[in-house]
Amino acid sequence: NAGVMQNPRHLVRRRGQEARLRCSPMKGHSHVYWYRQLPEEGLKFMVYLQKENIIDESGMPKERFSAEFPKEGPSILRIQQVVRGDSAAYFCASSLSGQANTGELFFGEGSRLTVL
Amino acid sequence: SQKIEQNSEALNIQEGKTATLTCNYTNYSPAYLQWYRQDPGRGPVFLLLIRENEKEKRKERLKVTFDTTLKQSLFHITASQPADSATYLCALPASGGSYIPTFGRGTSLIVHP
Repeated sequence: NAGVMQNPRHLVRRRGQEARLRCSPMKGHSHVYWYRQLPEEGLKFMVYLQKENIIDESGMPKERFSAEFPKEGPSILRIQQVVRGDSAAYFCASSLSGQANTGELFFGEGSRLTVL
Repeated sequence: SQKIEQNSEALNIQEGKTATLTCNYTNYSPAYLQWYRQDPGRGPVFLLLIRENEKEKRKERLKVTFDTTLKQSLFHITASQPADSATYLCALPASGGSYIPTFGRGTSLIVHP
């Protein structure tokens, strides 16, 4: 029973390039969350999606960041024109719809983005 | 929105002792509070959830309390082991209308053999 799968685990980009981070939720989970963790800081919520819908994007920067969770395939967090400040660990989590009201999340191992 | 406070200083204890970690929140009383464990370079792992109408929850060597008057949760690990060394994160809903967990910065626990 595979857990939440994220790839790539490590990604290096130069300033101005695009970064695409992928997340496949646990089997049967239809809710996906993205969090960002900066060094020595806590997890910061970015966006919550269900299949084909963005439910809450209150934590997403207004520019350069976007997220999707298509009907088929993984959820993708896209960062355009990356800057050094985007360097962080990006975690994806999923939850089973029936447990959504408890907020219990299952996390992937994260994608670590380094912007040179 | 909710502000969550966890001790930023690492907690160092001796193997076999009970570790106690604190999570304080500042605003409204949440419907639930969760604790996660995070190891270096890994994703957080869910440990326990306690609801607003529960005062205490136990799971093996773990115990969580929830005091809505003090706006505080305590997380205890009894008979601690070096393998318990990790960062422990507290999480609760960001606001009254949301159930999406918002996380504290976490407290690092180091158990010495």
